[in-house]
Amino acid sequence: DGGITQSPKYLFRKEGQNVTLSCEQNLNHDAMYWYRQDPGQGLRLIYYSQIVNDFQKGDIAEGYSVSREKKESFPLTVTSAQKNPTAFYLCASSQAGGTNTGELFFGEGSRLTVL
Amino acid sequence: GQNIDQPTEMTATEGAIVQINCTYQTSGFNGLFWYQQHAGEAPTFLSYNVLDGLEEKGRFSSFLSRSKGYSYLLLKELQMKDSASYLCAALWGNQGGKLIFGQGTELSVKP
Repeated sequence: DGGITQSPKYLFRKEGQNVTLSCEQNLNHDAMYWYRQDPGQGLRLIYYSQIVNDFQKGDIAEGYSVSREKKESFPLTVTSAQKNPTAFYLCASSQAGGTNTGELFFGEGSRLTVL
Repeated sequence: GQNIDQPTEMTATEGAIVQINCTYQTSGFNGLFWYQQHAGEAPTFLSYNVLDGLEEKGRFSSFLSRSKGYSYLLLKELQMKDSASYLCAALWGNQGGKLIFGQGTELSVKP
């Protein structure tokens, strides 16, 4: 079945450690996104990519890094520079252009807790 | 930045109708989405509007006025399972571009 897979679902890390969240999609979508969600709040855009080997900063990119070496994959690294990394992270993809509405398809999310 | 505003929370009664409003910055706007999110889960797609008017889909309808920078989600015949957060999201630029979400409206449906 086509979809988006995020891993791990739950992750614990110590302060000062970098951690990488995986996001893979087999929907053949061009665009991929990373959002962060804190309790009781909406989704805030971290990074997005419209095409392979290109990505743009969202509203809260500081302390995060991404890569888009393959169309299917858009990993997010939470670096030690991110001051408050404990959150629920959502990866999404969409198909740009044509008759497509640009609807986002979401993964199940990764819940990161910094101890 | 692009601002999207929606009420933080709303309460309604089972069987009733509720309207959730959303306003957004119009410059560069290219489409409006509504998503439903239950606690601890990923959002699920409800509707998409790019032209003015009302889009109806079963118990849910969504309205857009591009000139006013305004949208609403209308939920009819409310059920207890409709208790969730409803997220308004606006697209700026081309599809596959920057999709920004509002803070979400937490809807509580009571018997």
